[in-house]
Amino acid sequence: EAQVTQNPRYLITVTGKKLTVTCSQNMNHEYMSWYRQDPGLGLRQIYYSMNVEVTDKGDVPEGYKVSRKEKRNFPLILESPSPNQTSLYFCAAGVAGGYEQYFGPGTRLTVT
Amino acid sequence: DQQVKQNSPSLSVQEGRISILNCDYTNSMFDYFLWYKKYPAEGPTFLISISSIKDKNEDGRFTVFLNKSAKHLSLHIVPSQPGDSAVYFCAASGTYKYIFGTGTRLKVLA
Repeated sequence: EAQVTQNPRYLITVTGKKLTVTCSQNMNHEYMSWYRQDPGLGLRQIYYSMNVEVTDKGDVPEGYKVSRKEKRNFPLILESPSPNQTSLYFCAAGVAGGYEQYFGPGTRLTVT
Repeated sequence: DQQVKQNSPSLSVQEGRISILNCDYTNSMFDYFLWYKKYPAEGPTFLISISSIKDKNEDGRFTVFLNKSAKHLSLHIVPSQPGDSAVYFCAASGTYKYIFGTGTRLKVLA
């Protein structure tokens, strides 16, 4: 079964405490991406990766880092989280362009 | 500046009737347009897509229409079913980037 997993699913943290949200896919897709969903703003792309060791910024990359050291994993790193990064985060994997991206179940992050 | 807009936050339709969801975009350079459906507490799931060189794509009950001169696309669902009740996002793709709209909440009334 095609699957994208994210951990943790829920996280409450404090300002400035570094955190990592993991993302893993079992479909051998080259393309992976991170999004955040906020009320009234829809989904906004944070970073994407076209392949191992190849990443690029989406529309809202400030305050985030990513790495793609192996094909199946694409972690999202918040070095110094701030309250404006409180959001629902989705990881996706698939074929870029007009093809399906498979989304993970989401990670709800609260930064106090 | 919102490049992809869904101007209707919500839509209610009777079961069995047609649902029409609309989306407008501003950038003529997009290569593909996609529709995703999202249930609460789940990630979005892909519905259908269309290349910028086509004007219609159909998959079962779902049809997407693209009007390039108006920079407008629409998703038609016929017939609508209660299980179609969800938030629908349109998205535009250029190379590796995706721009999503803000979503339209569809409610199909039994």
